[in-house]
Amino acid sequence: DGGITQSPKYLFRKEGQNVTLSCEQNLNHDAMYWYRQDPGQGLRLIYYSQIVNDFQKGDIAEGYSVSREKKESFPLTVTSAQKNPTAFYLCASSIERGYEQYFGPGTRLTVT
Amino acid sequence: KQEVTQIPAALSVPEGENLVLNCSFTDSAIYNLQWFRQDPGKGLTSLLLIQSSQREQTSGRLNASLDKSSGRSTLYIAASQPGDSATYLCAVASNTGNQFYFGTGTSLTVIP
Repeated sequence: DGGITQSPKYLFRKEGQNVTLSCEQNLNHDAMYWYRQDPGQGLRLIYYSQIVNDFQKGDIAEGYSVSREKKESFPLTVTSAQKNPTAFYLCASSIERGYEQYFGPGTRLTVT
Repeated sequence: KQEVTQIPAALSVPEGENLVLNCSFTDSAIYNLQWFRQDPGKGLTSLLLIQSSQREQTSGRLNASLDKSSGRSTLYIAASQPGDSATYLCAVASNTGNQFYFGTGTSLTVIP
Protein backbone atom coordinates (compact mmCIF):
# COMPACT_ATOMS: atom_id res chain seq x y z
CA ASP A 1 0.00 0.00 0.00
CA GLY A 2 1.86 3.05 -1.26
CA GLY A 3 1.79 6.35 0.54
CA ILE A 4 3.33 8.79 2.96
CA THR A 5 3.44 8.19 6.68
CA GLN A 6 4.08 10.76 9.36
CA SER A 7 4.63 9.99 12.98
CA PRO A 8 3.56 10.68 15.57
CA LYS A 9 0.11 12.13 14.92
CA TYR A 10 0.28 14.30 18.05
CA LEU A 11 3.46 15.53 19.73
CA PHE A 12 3.86 17.53 22.90
CA ARG A 13 7.12 19.18 23.95
CA LYS A 14 8.38 21.65 26.47
CA GLU A 15 9.77 24.95 25.30
CA GLY A 16 13.52 24.79 24.69
CA GLN A 17 13.55 21.16 23.53
CA ASN A 18 14.37 20.06 20.02
CA VAL A 19 11.93 17.63 18.44
CA THR A 20 12.11 15.54 15.26
CA LEU A 21 9.11 14.77 13.07
CA SER A 22 9.22 11.70 10.91
CA CYS A 23 8.20 11.48 7.24
CA GLU A 24 8.52 8.29 5.19
CA GLN A 25 7.30 7.53 1.66
CA ASN A 26 7.26 4.33 -0.37
CA LEU A 27 6.15 5.95 -3.62
CA ASN A 28 9.70 6.08 -5.02
CA HIS A 29 9.38 9.84 -5.31
CA ASP A 30 12.48 11.99 -5.72
CA ALA A 31 11.07 15.25 -4.30
CA MET A 32 9.91 15.74 -0.74
CA TYR A 33 8.56 18.79 1.09
CA TRP A 34 7.76 20.04 4.58
CA TYR A 35 4.98 22.55 5.17
CA ARG A 36 3.58 24.27 8.18
CA GLN A 37 -0.13 25.05 8.51
CA ASP A 38 -1.50 27.60 10.98
CA PRO A 39 -5.18 28.53 11.46
CA GLY A 40 -6.33 31.07 8.90
CA GLN A 41 -3.12 30.81 6.87
CA GLY A 42 -2.22 28.84 3.82
CA LEU A 43 0.44 26.16 3.92
CA ARG A 44 3.93 27.61 4.05
CA LEU A 45 6.99 25.81 2.75
CA ILE A 46 9.72 25.08 5.29
CA TYR A 47 12.20 22.93 3.32
CA TYR A 48 12.22 20.87 0.16
CA SER A 49 14.49 18.23 -1.27
CA GLN A 50 14.70 17.19 -4.92
CA ILE A 51 17.22 14.42 -4.46
CA VAL A 52 19.04 12.47 -1.78
CA ASN A 53 21.65 14.48 0.15
CA ASP A 54 20.33 17.77 -1.19
CA PHE A 55 17.74 20.14 0.25
CA GLN A 56 16.77 23.79 -0.04
CA LYS A 57 15.22 26.32 2.31
CA GLY A 58 11.64 27.38 1.76
CA ASP A 59 10.03 30.61 2.91
CA ILE A 60 10.12 29.91 6.66
CA ALA A 61 13.22 27.74 7.28
CA GLU A 62 14.50 29.64 10.33
CA GLY A 63 14.49 27.43 13.42
CA TYR A 64 14.13 24.20 11.43
CA SER A 65 16.57 21.66 10.04
CA VAL A 66 16.22 18.63 7.77
CA SER A 67 18.23 15.74 6.38
CA ARG A 68 17.77 13.54 3.32
CA GLU A 69 20.06 10.55 3.73
CA LYS A 70 17.64 8.11 2.12
CA LYS A 71 15.19 8.59 -0.74
CA GLU A 72 12.32 7.34 1.42
CA SER A 73 12.91 9.55 4.46
CA PHE A 74 12.89 13.31 5.09
CA PRO A 75 12.83 14.04 8.85
CA LEU A 76 12.24 17.57 10.13
CA THR A 77 13.79 18.85 13.35
CA VAL A 78 12.11 21.75 15.10
CA THR A 79 14.80 23.42 17.14
CA SER A 80 14.55 25.62 20.20
CA ALA A 81 15.36 28.57 17.93
CA GLN A 82 11.92 28.35 16.31
CA LYS A 83 9.98 31.07 18.10
CA ASN A 84 6.46 29.77 17.56
CA PRO A 85 6.65 26.03 16.85
CA THR A 86 3.08 25.04 17.75
CA ALA A 87 1.43 24.17 14.42
CA PHE A 88 0.24 21.39 12.13
CA TYR A 89 3.14 20.01 10.08
CA LEU A 90 2.57 18.34 6.72
CA CYS A 91 5.00 16.33 4.64
CA ALA A 92 4.50 15.84 0.91
CA SER A 93 6.26 14.16 -1.99
CA SER A 94 6.15 14.23 -5.77
CA ILE A 95 7.77 12.07 -8.41
CA GLU A 96 9.98 15.01 -9.23
CA ARG A 97 9.85 18.76 -8.83
CA GLY A 98 6.74 20.44 -10.12
CA TYR A 99 4.68 17.26 -10.38
CA GLU A 100 1.55 16.31 -8.47
CA GLN A 101 2.10 16.43 -4.74
CA TYR A 102 0.89 13.74 -2.33
CA PHE A 103 0.52 14.52 1.35
CA GLY A 104 0.90 12.60 4.57
CA PRO A 105 -1.66 12.76 7.39
CA GLY A 106 0.25 15.43 9.33
CA THR A 107 1.72 15.83 12.82
CA ARG A 108 0.22 18.29 15.26
CA LEU A 109 2.98 19.72 17.45
CA THR A 110 2.19 21.54 20.66
CA VAL A 111 4.97 23.27 22.56
CA THR A 112 4.27 24.66 26.03
CA LYS B 1 6.59 36.62 -4.49
CA GLN B 2 3.54 34.70 -5.63
CA GLU B 3 0.34 35.51 -3.73
CA VAL B 4 -2.61 33.10 -3.93
CA THR B 5 -6.11 34.17 -2.92
CA GLN B 6 -9.24 32.06 -2.57
CA ILE B 7 -12.69 33.56 -2.46
CA PRO B 8 -15.03 32.99 -0.74
CA ALA B 9 -13.45 31.87 2.52
CA ALA B 10 -16.56 29.88 3.37
CA LEU B 11 -19.54 28.64 1.38
CA SER B 12 -22.71 26.83 2.39
CA VAL B 13 -24.98 25.25 -0.23
CA PRO B 14 -27.92 22.83 -0.27
CA GLU B 15 -27.29 19.31 -1.50
CA GLY B 16 -27.53 18.90 -5.27
CA GLU B 17 -26.44 22.41 -6.13
CA ASN B 18 -23.64 23.09 -8.60
CA LEU B 19 -20.95 25.41 -7.27
CA VAL B 20 -17.76 27.22 -8.23
CA LEU B 21 -14.72 27.88 -6.09
CA ASN B 22 -12.26 30.57 -7.11
CA CYS B 23 -8.49 30.85 -6.93
CA SER B 24 -6.44 33.82 -8.11
CA PHE B 25 -2.69 34.30 -8.27
CA THR B 26 -0.49 37.31 -8.88
CA ASP B 27 2.32 35.90 -11.04
CA SER B 28 1.22 34.21 -14.26
CA ALA B 29 4.60 32.48 -14.73
CA ILE B 30 3.55 29.19 -13.17
CA TYR B 31 4.56 25.56 -13.70
CA ASN B 32 1.17 24.10 -12.78
CA LEU B 33 -1.79 24.54 -10.45
CA GLN B 34 -3.17 21.87 -8.15
CA TRP B 35 -6.49 21.65 -6.29
CA PHE B 36 -6.70 19.80 -2.98
CA ARG B 37 -9.30 18.81 -0.46
CA GLN B 38 -8.61 18.83 3.28
CA ASP B 39 -10.85 17.30 5.92
CA PRO B 40 -10.55 18.65 9.51
CA GLY B 41 -7.32 17.57 11.18
CA LYS B 42 -6.19 15.58 8.14
CA GLY B 43 -3.66 15.86 5.38
CA LEU B 44 -4.42 17.09 1.87
CA THR B 45 -5.92 14.93 -0.86
CA SER B 46 -5.05 15.82 -4.43
CA LEU B 47 -8.10 16.43 -6.64
CA LEU B 48 -6.82 17.80 -9.92
CA LEU B 49 -3.60 19.12 -11.40
CA ILE B 50 -3.55 21.45 -14.39
CA GLN B 51 -0.32 21.96 -16.27
CA SER B 52 0.49 25.53 -17.32
CA SER B 53 -0.19 24.63 -20.96
CA GLN B 54 -3.65 23.23 -20.22
CA ARG B 55 -6.98 25.04 -19.95
CA GLU B 56 -8.93 22.52 -17.90
CA GLN B 57 -9.00 19.11 -16.26
CA THR B 58 -11.93 16.92 -15.29
CA SER B 59 -12.36 14.13 -12.78
CA GLY B 60 -15.84 12.80 -12.14
CA ARG B 61 -18.03 15.64 -10.83
CA LEU B 62 -15.04 18.00 -10.65
CA ASN B 63 -13.83 20.33 -13.36
CA ALA B 64 -10.94 22.74 -12.93
CA SER B 65 -10.10 25.51 -15.36
CA LEU B 66 -7.01 27.65 -15.68
CA ASP B 67 -6.63 31.10 -17.22
CA LYS B 68 -2.96 31.90 -16.76
CA SER B 69 -3.07 35.31 -18.41
CA SER B 70 -5.67 36.59 -15.94
CA GLY B 71 -4.20 34.67 -13.00
CA ARG B 72 -7.33 32.67 -12.26
CA SER B 73 -8.49 29.13 -11.73
CA THR B 74 -11.92 27.80 -10.87
CA LEU B 75 -13.03 24.48 -9.42
CA TYR B 76 -16.52 23.49 -10.49
CA ILE B 77 -18.33 20.86 -8.41
CA ALA B 78 -21.45 19.40 -9.97
CA ALA B 79 -24.40 18.01 -8.00
CA SER B 80 -22.85 18.62 -4.61
CA GLN B 81 -23.17 16.01 -1.85
CA PRO B 82 -22.77 16.22 1.94
CA GLY B 83 -19.58 14.18 1.57
CA ASP B 84 -18.09 17.07 -0.41
CA SER B 85 -18.00 19.15 2.78
CA ALA B 86 -14.35 20.02 3.40
CA THR B 87 -11.83 22.80 2.86
CA TYR B 88 -10.63 23.18 -0.72
CA LEU B 89 -7.15 24.54 -1.33
CA CYS B 90 -5.41 25.59 -4.49
CA ALA B 91 -1.65 25.62 -4.88
CA VAL B 92 0.43 27.23 -7.59
CA ALA B 93 3.87 25.91 -8.52
CA SER B 94 6.55 28.46 -9.32
CA ASN B 95 7.86 28.53 -12.90
CA THR B 96 10.82 26.36 -11.85
CA GLY B 97 8.51 23.84 -10.21
CA ASN B 98 10.54 24.06 -7.02
CA GLN B 99 8.08 25.81 -4.77
CA PHE B 100 4.34 25.69 -4.27
CA TYR B 101 2.28 28.58 -2.96
CA PHE B 102 -1.03 27.85 -1.27
CA GLY B 103 -4.20 29.82 -0.83
CA THR B 104 -5.95 29.89 2.55
CA GLY B 105 -8.77 27.72 1.25
CA THR B 106 -12.54 27.76 0.90
CA SER B 107 -14.49 25.92 3.60
CA LEU B 108 -17.45 24.21 1.91
CA THR B 109 -20.51 22.91 3.74
CA VAL B 110 -23.12 20.95 1.78
CA ILE B 111 -26.40 20.83 3.67
CA PRO B 112 -28.48 17.63 3.29
